[in-house]
Amino acid sequence: DADVTQTPRNRITKTGKRIMLECSQTKGHDRMYWYRQDPGLGLRLIYYSFDVKDINKGEISDGYSVSRQAQAKFSLSLESAIPNQTALYFCATSDLQGQPQHFGDGTRLSIL
Amino acid sequence: LAKTTQPISMDSYEGQEVNITCSHNNIATNDYITWYQQFPSQGPRFIIQGYKTKVTNEVASLFIPADRKSSTLSLPRVSLSDTAVYYCLVGEAAGNKLTFGGGTRVLVKP
Repeated sequence: DADVTQTPRNRITKTGKRIMLECSQTKGHDRMYWYRQDPGLGLRLIYYSFDVKDINKGEISDGYSVSRQAQAKFSLSLESAIPNQTALYFCATSDLQGQPQHFGDGTRLSIL
Repeated sequence: LAKTTQPISMDSYEGQEVNITCSHNNIATNDYITWYQQFPSQGPRFIIQGYKTKVTNEVASLFIPADRKSSTLSLPRVSLSDTAVYYCLVGEAAGNKLTFGGGTRVLVKP
């Protein structure tokens, strides 16, 4: 969805480095989500936010942190990257609870 | 939290109907079921959503039996461009527990 933009699209880095993935949206949605995708495991929820002052842990939040800088911006950080965090990361937005999510095109992250 | 299981892959031919079943034995009363389509290098894209019985839109149908322990996405008369990975998502309406299936890779052959 072109209304959900993720940067960078690809990133290669080394173990122990701090990494930030950014997501911005022009859909005006309050809800934003971060997922990671691994082969055969589908998408797993890392963190989600219902508005600027709300941050919630998802299924696999350990090793990650997030910041909701504005309604339109939601960033994901890896404070000290490790190789098993190598994955495809997706940001998504939704309007109301239960409404379909709109995904960005992902960030492919490789940690050596 | 509902565990969501889908077949890993299936093949079909142009013009055929493709049916993908997702199992979610522990689905809660208010959980909704959503299906997404994903192409390489893109994020998942919404196809259809339902709670019970049958839902139909311009691209697909979703069948949910009375016990809601499974759901079936039906793609009528597929074309080559329907080759993609299809994901089932079970989500809590009252909270935000979201469980994706592992995805089904559909290959449509000429």
